[in-house]
This record gives sequence, structure tokens and C-alpha cells, in this order.
Amino acid sequence: EVQLVESGGGLVKPGGSLRLSCAASGFTFSTYTMNWVRQAPGKGLQWVSSITSTSNYIYYADSVKGRFTISRDNAKNSLYLQMNSLRAEDTAVYYCARDLLAIDYGMDVWGQGTTVTVSS
Amino acid sequence: EIVLTQSPGTLSLSPGERATLSCRASQSVSSSYLAWYQHKPGQAPRLLIYGASSRVTGIPDRFSGSGSGTDFTLSISRLEPEDFAVYYCQQYGSSMYTFGQGTKLEIK
Repeated sequence: EVQLVESGGGLVKPGGSLRLSCAASGFTFSTYTMNWVRQAPGKGLQWVSSITSTSNYIYYADSVKGRFTISRDNAKNSLYLQMNSLRAEDTAVYYCARDLLAIDYGMDVWGQGTTVTVSS
Repeated sequence: EIVLTQSPGTLSLSPGERATLSCRASQSVSSSYLAWYQHKPGQAPRLLIYGASSRVTGIPDRFSGSGSGTDFTLSISRLEPEDFAVYYCQQYGSSMYTFGQGTKLEIK
């Protein structure tokens, strides 16, 4: 079964750090571009970051650039998001999602999400 | 950055009726870069349509996507109880994804 499982969420104070992980199974992880997407309470979906299959290309939303770092370990079938200098507005459910393996764009496999709460 | 505007914000319909959801882009979007998702509370988002009109394997054929340029549409021909959810359009451009703000499809 194709599956993504996020972990690492929790409660953190403003200015603090947190590292999210996403464990992939059931597919050849090293072939796919991977993404982090978040949903703040009562809000819509927001793309956070993408990393290509060999980590050659990495992209961030402006709202997290310079504070968040995406990475992956293909040997461990794992995706990561290091979040530093966290703000209240980073409070959200964070999803990892797999890109389509096609000329089209979209995210065809999603995890269930992990909740990050930034509050004093 | 391309902005996607979805309308209406909320759509109230009854099971069996047809739903038409709109997604308008601030600039022209390649059809290959336009996707639609269904999202229910407490669940992961689900990809329904990619390439503006290609249905994902396993998605019922009552779901269809159309459009080009700046105007795209998701249609649900005969609403089933499980179709009531929030729907998002998404586009890819300039090495980033953007989502519309969502349309909530609720039971009338």
C-alpha cells in the first residue's frame, strides 16, 4: 500500500524550532518530487516547500523562506521539514504529499498530517 | 505569483443535483498545471483531477474537469452524500504551487 506518515508535530513557543518527518512506503520514494503543504485552523491549503527526487532543486513559499528547510533521505525513504524561528501564524496541520510522476502537476498521495501549534 | 479565485465560496445543493465549481486564475495557466482536490475534515486531501480534465484512477466519472487559460470548472453531475466537502483548485507555476481559497459544498 502506498503510504505517507507524518510525525514530529507538537506545541512549541514562538521563536522555537521543530523538525517534521514523513515516512514513505509502498513506492519508489527516490523517484518522486515531494512537498509539504499546510492548513492553518479555519483556512485553506497552502503549499510550503518542494524538493526534487535527488534534492537538486528546492523551493519555498515566501512566508517560510529563510526559516524552514526541506530535506530528504532516499536511503531511509524519508522527507523532513526543519522549522526554525516559528511564529503563531505557522500553526497548522502539516501534510507531506507526493508529486505526480508525469508531465502534469499535482499531488496524488498525501499523509494524514501532523499538527504544529505555536503558542506561548 | 498567480492567484486562483474560486467561486462560489459556499454552494448549497441537494443529493442528486449537479454542482458546478469555478476557478479563475489571475494569469493564464497551462492546462497541464491545473488540478482539483476534495478535502474532508480530519482527512487527507484527495486529488480528483489533474491536467485540468484528467480524472485520477478510481475517481467516479460523475466528477469532470474542464477549462483553459484563466477559467476552469469542476463539475459533479449527480451529487452523492459523500461528495459534500471542500474543493480546491491548484496550479503550478514559477517553481511553486498555489491553491484557491476553496469552495465548500454543503447539503441543502
